[in-house]
Amino acid sequence: GIQVEQSPPDLILQEGANSTLRCNFSDSVNNLQWFHQNPWGQLINLFYIPSGTKQNGRLSATTVATERYSLLYISSSQTTDSGVYFCAVEREPGNTGKLIFGQGTTLQVKP
Amino acid sequence: EAGVAQSPRYKIIEKRQSVAFWCNPISGHATLYWYQQILGQGPKLLIQFQNNGVVDDSQLPKDRFSAERLKGVDSTLKIQPAKLEDSAVYLCASSLDRMSFGGRGYVGADTQYFGPGTRLTVL
Repeated sequence: GIQVEQSPPDLILQEGANSTLRCNFSDSVNNLQWFHQNPWGQLINLFYIPSGTKQNGRLSATTVATERYSLLYISSSQTTDSGVYFCAVEREPGNTGKLIFGQGTTLQVKP
Repeated sequence: EAGVAQSPRYKIIEKRQSVAFWCNPISGHATLYWYQQILGQGPKLLIQFQNNGVVDDSQLPKDRFSAERLKGVDSTLKIQPAKLEDSAVYLCASSLDRMSFGGRGYVGADTQYFGPGTRLTVL
């Protein structure tokens, strides 16, 4: 099956710093989503981004489908950004919405 | 718009007992997913429904796990009998039915929205 690798596994930042999280995947995908799981366990969908670039406030994401990776950028980080960030993909030519999740990047933002 | 609802939020049982979880998806969402998330790992899909039909249950341990979505709205996931290794968070998610919008023509129709989860501890 498709492999999803996220890096780095852990990241500690000072409030106000910027960061880049990476997701590599081993096969062509038609669906890629980034999620944030807060310290209370709630998974929040950040981006639906099988290709291209999107921005939402301090967060932005870029997926280069031909090179099989996606990047999540966090600018001016805040303590509320702490938690685990997951990348999840659906392999081509899938048409069911079934997502395979990576292992996540655990982010801690210190005040 | 109300989000995905799940209950209970927490459950502690002893091994060999049975347990059931309930999920109510976002109104209008035809697709419903149950995931298992073991501590330190990403969620793993157990079963996916399209309306009241099963799309994928390839990773559901069918000897002890069962799930139903009888009226195509809310769903129940059951474990009987539970094992120690079933201790995990059980997440329910829902998404729009992309096929209702002419296949992949509706970008983002399969964006998944998650409920708060049920944390199960098996002693």
